[in-house]
Amino acid sequence: DIVVTQSPDSLAVSLGERATINCKSSQSVFSSSNNKNYLAWYQQKPGQPPKGLIYWASTRESGVPDRFSGSGSGTDFTLTISSLQAEDVAVYYCHQYYGSPYTFGQGTRLEIK
Amino acid sequence: QITLKESGPTLVKPTQTLMLTCTFSGFSLTSSGVGVGWIRQPPGKALEWLALIYWNGEKRYSPSLENRHTITKDTSKNQVVLTMTNLDPVDTATYYCAHTEEHWRVYFDYWGQGTLVTVSS
Repeated sequence: DIVVTQSPDSLAVSLGERATINCKSSQSVFSSSNNKNYLAWYQQKPGQPPKGLIYWASTRESGVPDRFSGSGSGTDFTLTISSLQAEDVAVYYCHQYYGSPYTFGQGTRLEIK
Repeated sequence: QITLKESGPTLVKPTQTLMLTCTFSGFSLTSSGVGVGWIRQPPGKALEWLALIYWNGEKRYSPSLENRHTITKDTSKNQVVLTMTNLDPVDTATYYCAHTEEHWRVYFDYWGQGTLVTVSS
């Protein structure tokens, strides 16, 4: 199984500041056949289901604000929120879909400082 | 507009069998590439993918449940059913069903609200 590990487990950032969440997979999730990284990011607010933010490591889901961006390749990935807003308080998960079983990271809790 | 909704018992006794139904609208599970998956989340814990069924009947399972689960579809009713046998209190979780659009991109773009299942005697 591909293990996905996020860091940090929790993060407190001031409003308007940058938030960075890291995700590392135990093996590469990059496919040379289509030049894509099989990595997604989700946001989960309290009492709600997860919401898809980014897929193929850097493609933003329709309707997701452009302050959210994804980067990285191979085994190391980053979700960046360029200017934190109050509504961004949530738990964020990365998810690899390179191979079954599809696995999620343990989550990163993002709070306002 | 794509929607999914989970339904099933909220309380199940240990060793019993759980049947959860995902009823969806806004898409067809006969369209090429489309799939519906089940993901669960124990209280206060992370997401865990369980199973996935595709438009063509292909099924994928997480081995973590040790063959205790089965996923099926009924395209005429727009439903996907997850059956889990021999439940244990560790199976207590919110169970979500979710839609995926492309066969090789298992990215869940639409989720149901989830249903909390408690396993307790």
